Amino acid sequence: DIQMTQSPSSLSASVGDRVTITCRASQSISNYVNWYQQKPGKAPKLLIHTASSLQSWVPPLRFTGSGSGTDFTLTISSLQPEDFATYYCQQSYSIPLTFGGGTKVEIK
Amino acid sequence: QLQLQESGPGLVKPSETLSLTCIVSGGSMISNAYYWGWVRQPPGKGLEWIGNIYYSETTYYNPSLESRVTISVDTSKNQLSLKLSSVTAADTAVYYCARRFKWNYFDAFDIWGQGTMVTVSS
Repeated sequence: DIQMTQSPSSLSASVGDRVTITCRASQSISNYVNWYQQKPGKAPKLLIHTASSLQSWVPPLRFTGSGSGTDFTLTISSLQPEDFATYYCQQSYSIPLTFGGGTKVEIK
Repeated sequence: QLQLQESGPGLVKPSETLSLTCIVSGGSMISNAYYWGWVRQPPGKGLEWIGNIYYSETTYYNPSLESRVTISVDTSKNQLSLKLSSVTAADTAVYYCARRFKWNYFDAFDIWGQGTMVTVSS
């Protein structure tokens, strides 16, 4: 199984801060990484697919995905109140599909 | 707009079989690009993929659960089902049904149900 290791597991930040979340795969997975946003009591929502392609609902100047191989990054350029949530990476390179442990972004 | 809605018992006894249904509305389940499946999330924890099924009924399961899981589809009813046998407290979780869209390089869970909480307890 491919292990997806996210860091940090949680962070506190203020509105307007730049936030970076990393995800490392246990083996090379090309760019087969997706990112999801989950708010309390809600289902995850697909945020970014194939490492860097934003879903249509995602503000393009605020969220960025990058990386290839084993190291991937989700960046929020200027944190907004609606961005406080838990973020998960997920690899779609091979079965079993696996998720990272999540990064909870909290208000400082 | 495609929507998924899970349903089933909220409480299951240890050693019994958990059975859930997901109704797909607002669209067809039949497409070369769609896989239908289940993801679960224990309280306060992360996400775990359970398995997927293609409309042709080809299935893909997480090896960690494969001996206990059955996923089936009824495209005439636009319905997806999950059965998990011999449950224990470790199977307590929110269970989500989700569409896995797989086309060219796009391979992700793009539509999710709201989730249903299942507790395993006597």
